[in-house]
Amino acid sequence: DVKVTQSSRYLVKRTGEKVFLECVQDMDHENMFWYRQDPGLGLRLIYFSYDVKMKEKGDIPEGYSVSREKKERFSLILESASTNQTSMYLCASSLQRVRPDTQYFGPGTRLTVL
Amino acid sequence: DQQVKQNSPSLSVQEGRISILNCDYTNSMFDYFLWYKKYPAEGPTFLISISSIKDKNEDGRFTVFLNKSAKHLSLHIVPSQPGDSAVYFCAASVLGGYSNNAGNMLTFGGGTRLMVKP
Repeated sequence: DVKVTQSSRYLVKRTGEKVFLECVQDMDHENMFWYRQDPGLGLRLIYFSYDVKMKEKGDIPEGYSVSREKKERFSLILESASTNQTSMYLCASSLQRVRPDTQYFGPGTRLTVL
Repeated sequence: DQQVKQNSPSLSVQEGRISILNCDYTNSMFDYFLWYKKYPAEGPTFLISISSIKDKNEDGRFTVFLNKSAKHLSLHIVPSQPGDSAVYFCAASVLGGYSNNAGNMLTFGGGTRLMVKP
């Protein structure tokens, strides 16, 4: 079974803080993704990575950056957290590079920025 | 503007009856569609998919129908069970060539909360 884990289930930060969200997958997947989920808006793609050190912007990359130094780990960074970044953050991974294969999701991190 | 829309935020169905969840899309380039189910405090899990060369795909109690001309897909659950109560997301993608990573990207709808009453 594919396992995608996220470092925290709940996180509370203050405005202006630097925030790191970590994601690890154990199935040697090439692709990894970061989404945020907001009511009525579904899941929106922030960034994805198709290989180590490779990344592409998703639909809403502003205010975020990512890092993928190892194949199994994909980090989402909020350089200076703001209240409008309060959301549920979901990490996902998938096996194939080109086909829109099924993505396997972690349990999510609920981030609150005060 | 959202390219994938689920216009019903919630749906309530009696156990044993059919649940029909709808999804519309605007991008005619989309050619692969998926449904995910999400329980509270868990990540979404893949349910069923369909490529644009088909108009129907079935897996047990779950059937997805695709109407390309109407840019519409629907998920049918028959019979509905209380354990099906969850938020359902439809998602769409564009198949790409090897050098085009767009095939990895999914565009999700806003979700529909299904409640199946015993």
